[in-house]
Amino acid sequence: AQSVTQPDIHITVSEGASLELRCNYSYGATPYLFWYVQSPGQGLQLLLKYFSGDTLVQGIKGFEAEFKRSQSSFNLRKPSVHWSDAAEYFCAVGTISGGGADGHNFGKGTQLIIQP
Amino acid sequence: EAQVTQNPRYLITVTGKKLTVTCSQNMNHEYMSWYRQDPGLGLRQIYYSMNVEVTDKGDVPEGYKVSRKEKRNFPLILESPSPNQTSLYFCASSPSWGARYNEQFFGPGTRLTVL
Repeated sequence: AQSVTQPDIHITVSEGASLELRCNYSYGATPYLFWYVQSPGQGLQLLLKYFSGDTLVQGIKGFEAEFKRSQSSFNLRKPSVHWSDAAEYFCAVGTISGGGADGHNFGKGTQLIIQP
Repeated sequence: EAQVTQNPRYLITVTGKKLTVTCSQNMNHEYMSWYRQDPGLGLRQIYYSMNVEVTDKGDVPEGYKVSRKEKRNFPLILESPSPNQTSLYFCASSPSWGARYNEQFFGPGTRLTVL
């Protein structure tokens, strides 16, 4: 089954510093990959998604992610974080129907903490 | 405003007392889904629906029921809640049955505590 792993439970970054959140996927073919953000007390919001084509994907709020097939990774990056970026970030992979539940399989999330 | 709404947002109940969490979307989406979120476990899918009268189990369906009588509504029913169902619940919808490659739109969540 398609799955994603987020190796970091927490990440602490200083405001203004660059950010990289890791996501590794498990799937033989080209996966459908997503990054969502969950601000405190809120539901999840899509940051960006990758299906095919250009491996560098631009999203909202200044985020980008790079798909690397050789490393089975889809890491999220931002050049300069703001205090408002403090949230939980989820990587997800689209699941194939016909035997598996249709939808997304989510990673366990990475909590981003911003230091002043 | 396009949105997914859930009610109630917070609920404290006792073991065995039936409850329903409502979910409604105003985007005419075919696909709807329920997830539960627990610390250290991320989001796990409970049930999903690809269209009216079509529902299927996700990864953790035990102890839950759903129904999809109208396109916009997808209630989650706990017939006999137990403490291990204490969790944060999210409803989500997606523009078509191909939810594996479509963005999902999430409601604000329902925090359920079962005593």
